[in-house]
Amino acid sequence: GQNIDQPTEMTATEGAIVQINCTYQTSGFNGLFWYQQHAGEAPTFLSYNVLDGLEEKGRFSSFLSRSKGYSYLLLKELQMKDSASYLCAVPPDYGQNFVFGPGTRLSVLP
Amino acid sequence: EAQVTQNPRYLITVTGKKLTVTCSQNMNHEYMSWYRQDPGLGLRQIYYSMNVEVTDKGDVPEGYKVSRKEKRNFPLILESPSPNQTSLYFCASGLSLEEGYEQYFGPGTRLTVT
Repeated sequence: GQNIDQPTEMTATEGAIVQINCTYQTSGFNGLFWYQQHAGEAPTFLSYNVLDGLEEKGRFSSFLSRSKGYSYLLLKELQMKDSASYLCAVPPDYGQNFVFGPGTRLSVLP
Repeated sequence: EAQVTQNPRYLITVTGKKLTVTCSQNMNHEYMSWYRQDPGLGLRQIYYSMNVEVTDKGDVPEGYKVSRKEKRNFPLILESPSPNQTSLYFCASGLSLEEGYEQYFGPGTRLTVT
């Protein structure tokens, strides 16, 4: 089976840095996704990590450690528009379900 | 414009009245999927399709049906809706296995069953 865990809520201040963690247990591994979802809207793609290490994309970076079953999303120079839920997800091997974590709701305060 | 469309966007219906939510994508993706999203439970996969005429159950398939007669369309059918199917539904289409099935989501359908 597959299990993904994330903190439920986080709060940070505008301009700060925040790290959102994700731990997973999967029977197979085909990479890990991070999606952003504003309230009432569809999730949108942020990053996809297949190999260990840090991948940087502007203000957002994503890290993966396959041996530890651990990933994090790092958001720098937080802006009010970054207030959203952040979902980590493990894509399936052939014939398996796509599993999403419960999501972390981030509130950015002025 | 590459997109996934869903219709209707909002629907209020009564218990037992059959309904269909349509989903269409114009990106020639082989992988398509339906999710429901409920507070505290996150996104849960209902059904997915690897290609035309190939469908499989996700985590929460009970009470739903799907069909994939052509590549671009993947309708979700509720034969006899019940109040516990009140939810926000998302259709998605995805890239290949080699690309991790990166998914593009439709705008969502908010369904209320009374």
